[in-house]
Amino acid sequence: AQKVTQAQTEISVVEKEDVTLDCVYETRDTTYYLFWYKQPPSGELVFLIRRNSFDEQNEISGRYSWNFQKSTSSFNFTITASQVVDSAVYFCALSEARVNDMRFGAGTRLTVKP
Amino acid sequence: GAGVSQSPSNKVTEKGKDVELRCDPISGHTALYWYRQSLGQGLEFLIYFQGNSAPDKSGLPSDRFSAERTGGSVSTLTIQRTQQEDSAVYLCASSLTGVNAYEQYFGPGTRLTVT
Repeated sequence: AQKVTQAQTEISVVEKEDVTLDCVYETRDTTYYLFWYKQPPSGELVFLIRRNSFDEQNEISGRYSWNFQKSTSSFNFTITASQVVDSAVYFCALSEARVNDMRFGAGTRLTVKP
Repeated sequence: GAGVSQSPSNKVTEKGKDVELRCDPISGHTALYWYRQSLGQGLEFLIYFQGNSAPDKSGLPSDRFSAERTGGSVSTLTIQRTQQEDSAVYLCASSLTGVNAYEQYFGPGTRLTVT
């Protein structure tokens, strides 16, 4: 069965600090997809990134970067030089190729203080 | 283009009443998903549609919950005889196809409060 664990329930940082959000997943499939979504205070989930299981290349997009390591079943998300606007709940999610649901972690609430 | 829309945005209902929640996916997206997010919790998968058919209903919490999708577009989630534990935000998402390689785009949700 697929499972996603986000052990950090809440993180609070001061603006300009770097912060890493952890995501550990479990799956028996060899083909699967990992996602990160952001849910700002407005409530609407915003897609950030998708990664398939065959692509372990890390990705950087502006201040955001993702570290995918199959050896540790982790897909961690780092925000560099955090800003107040980064304050949100961040969800990691896993989807297996053979099923049609997406399993979300419990989310990490990030608060960036000015 | 327009994103996923949901209506109503808020719904307050009395225990025991039936409610209908509507989702209008992004045009051209064949896959549609319903999730439930209880206060401070993660997302709970409810049901998935590919076109008009629902190959996966495994997430529906009870037989009081049902969903349909007509014309491969708009979907309605119906909760009969609502209970207080049904209070949550109900989120709808759509994706290009049901192949999970594609990201899901979420609507703003319907906040349901059962009194």
